[in-house]
Amino acid sequence: GNSVTQMEGPVTLSEEAFLTINCTYTATGYPSLFWYVQYPGEGLQLLLKATKADDKGSNKGFEATYRKETTSFHLEKGSVQVSDSAVYFCALGSGGSNYKLTFGKGTLLTVNP
Amino acid sequence: DGGITQSPKYLFRKEGQNVTLSCEQNLNHDAMYWYRQDPGQGLRLIYYSQIVNDFQKGDIAEGYSVSREKKESFPLTVTSAQKNPTAFYLCASSMGVGYTDTQYFGPGTRLTVL
Repeated sequence: GNSVTQMEGPVTLSEEAFLTINCTYTATGYPSLFWYVQYPGEGLQLLLKATKADDKGSNKGFEATYRKETTSFHLEKGSVQVSDSAVYFCALGSGGSNYKLTFGKGTLLTVNP
Repeated sequence: DGGITQSPKYLFRKEGQNVTLSCEQNLNHDAMYWYRQDPGQGLRLIYYSQIVNDFQKGDIAEGYSVSREKKESFPLTVTSAQKNPTAFYLCASSMGVGYTDTQYFGPGTRLTVL
C-alpha cells in the first residue's frame, strides 16, 4: 500500500537558517504529492503541491521538487522566520476513483529569534 | 468568504454518549472527508463522500457514522462503540476525487471524552 515517511522532529532552527524536511514515499502508479502546514490548534493549510515527476511546487519561500527516481519530495526554505514555526505534513494522493490522502506523521518546526 | 466551518471547536462528552460533529462548506465542492488526528500521528481517514447521498468507509470507520443529505454538509457521529474517541477531528473538501484535486481543511473539532 501507499506510505509516507518524513523526518522525525522536532526541528529547532534560528531565524534566517536554511530548512530541509525530508519526505520519501512508497506508492503504486504516479501519485500527487503535497505539503501541508498546521499551526497550533488549527486545521491544515495547503502549502504546496506537485502532480507529476520533476514538478516543483513553491509558496511563501518554500519549495519542494517531485523526484520520481528517489521517490522523494523534500521541503526546503532558504531563510526561515519565527512565524514558520508549525507542524509540517507530507502527503500523497493516490490515483483512481477511490481518492484518499496518505499522510506522514508530521514534523514539528520551531524557529527561535 | 468561501471556506469550511466546523463546530464546535471544543466538545466534551461522557462515556457511552453519541455526539455529532458539524462540517459545512460553501466552496461548492463535490467531495468531503473526515480525518482523525492523534498526538504525534499523521491524519487517518474515517469516511469520505464523493457526491450527495453516497459515502465510503476509510481506514478507521468502526464506531463512526456519517450522512450526506446536502452537498454543503457532512456531519460525523461518534458513537459509543468507538473505543477511544478522544482526538482532534478534521473535515476536508475537494472539488472532485481526481488524484490532483486538492483537499482543503476546516479548523477542526477537539473531542474529549470524560
